[in-house]
Amino acid sequence: EPEVTQTPSHQVTQMGQEVILRCVPISNHLYFYWYRQILGQKVEFLVSFYNNEISEKSEIFDDQFSVERPDGSNFTLKIRSTKLEDSAMYFCASSVTSGNEQYFGPGTRLTVT
Amino acid sequence: AQKITQTQPGMFVQEKEAVTLDCTYDTSDQSYGLFWYKQPSSGEMIFLIYQGSYDEQNATEGRYSLNFQKARKSANLVISASQLGDSAMYFCAMRPPFSGGYNKLIFGAGTRLAVHP
Repeated sequence: EPEVTQTPSHQVTQMGQEVILRCVPISNHLYFYWYRQILGQKVEFLVSFYNNEISEKSEIFDDQFSVERPDGSNFTLKIRSTKLEDSAMYFCASSVTSGNEQYFGPGTRLTVT
Repeated sequence: AQKITQTQPGMFVQEKEAVTLDCTYDTSDQSYGLFWYKQPSSGEMIFLIYQGSYDEQNATEGRYSLNFQKARKSANLVISASQLGDSAMYFCAMRPPFSGGYNKLIFGAGTRLAVHP
């Protein structure tokens, strides 16, 4: 069964460093998403992406964040200058169309020290 | 603004029994979608079931069913014949209408379910 994959599973970085989180969505899906979950809290929407552009973003997704689909399979989330409060689990998700169920990857746990 | 409320931080159930996890939502829109996801201790988010606001019948997927009461704005998840592997965090989520935030899911705080043998 096709699934969303994410790398790395765990990333440790120092405050102020740039990180890139990688995702491979399900191959026939057209909509891609990033969510984050701070430890013990609810899952929060960051951004959705379709047709090579952002279709929606939350107030969390400020200028420090960017997304890219550099080729036909990868979807990346970049945090330019990490802060302690960026420590969270980051989930990538994809869906066939907007509004359909979203399938989540296993997540990348980001720890900022 | 849309909001999802899960009032049960924790629930427990005996193996083979049925359990209902509560979810209420707040929206003034008529068109929306409701989802349930399972998050085991390993951390991944697993899609369980979907209900569209215009669907007349309650959604079912195997042992999962969604008790959708539109007038009460509730979308409770019913798990029948609980298994030990059902022990996990369960999140209710809403997809807003096309006019406002169609491309995102809004999650509740979750309910932690423990299945006892």
